[in-house]
Amino acid sequence: AQSVTQLDSHVSVSEGTPVLLRCNYSSSYSPSLFWYVQHPNKGLQLLLKYTSAATLVKGINGFEAEFKKSETSFHLTKPSAHMSDAAEYFCVVSSLSTGTASKLTFGTGTRLQVTL
Amino acid sequence: DAGVTQSPTHLIKTRGQHVTLRCSPISGHKSVSWYQQVLGQGPQFIFQYYEKEERGRGNFPDRFSARQFPNYSSELNVNALLLGDSALYLCASSLWHTDTEAFFGQGTRLTVV
Repeated sequence: AQSVTQLDSHVSVSEGTPVLLRCNYSSSYSPSLFWYVQHPNKGLQLLLKYTSAATLVKGINGFEAEFKKSETSFHLTKPSAHMSDAAEYFCVVSSLSTGTASKLTFGTGTRLQVTL
Repeated sequence: DAGVTQSPTHLIKTRGQHVTLRCSPISGHKSVSWYQQVLGQGPQFIFQYYEKEERGRGNFPDRFSARQFPNYSSELNVNALLLGDSALYLCASSLWHTDTEAFFGQGTRLTVV
């Protein structure tokens, strides 16, 4: 079974400072990994994805993540936080469940707070 | 192009009732998946349908069922509602059943009282 662990349930940063949201994964083979963002009362938006190409993945809104197989990590970073980044962030791993369906397994989420 | 659309956006039901949630995938997408997101948690996989067939099922009771229509839209049905079924139900569409990238709708907020 595949799983992801988000190491922080809540992260608070000041506007203009770097963001680091941590995620570790568990997988029996090379996984596909994603970060999704969810703003209050909104659906999920894909930030970026890793599918065994470049280990440093660039996403939307200045976010990026680095796949580190040796550390089984896929941390999300952004050089400078903006107030609009305040949201819930989910680290996600994809697997093929029985019946050859693609199933997304979500972490428990990290709430990012951005203060002035 | 329209994204994934779900209806209704909000719904209030009484315990024991039945509910039907609807989802229209992105045009050209043939796979629809359903997820349940309880407040404060990450979404949990319920079903995936592709070409009108169930391709995957999560750890949910038989009270949960779904189907996919020839136009690839989908319905999620929940019978004998429990208070614990209160959640945001998310629909995701993708091109193929093995496609790892999914696009989510805004969700249906179901409240069971």
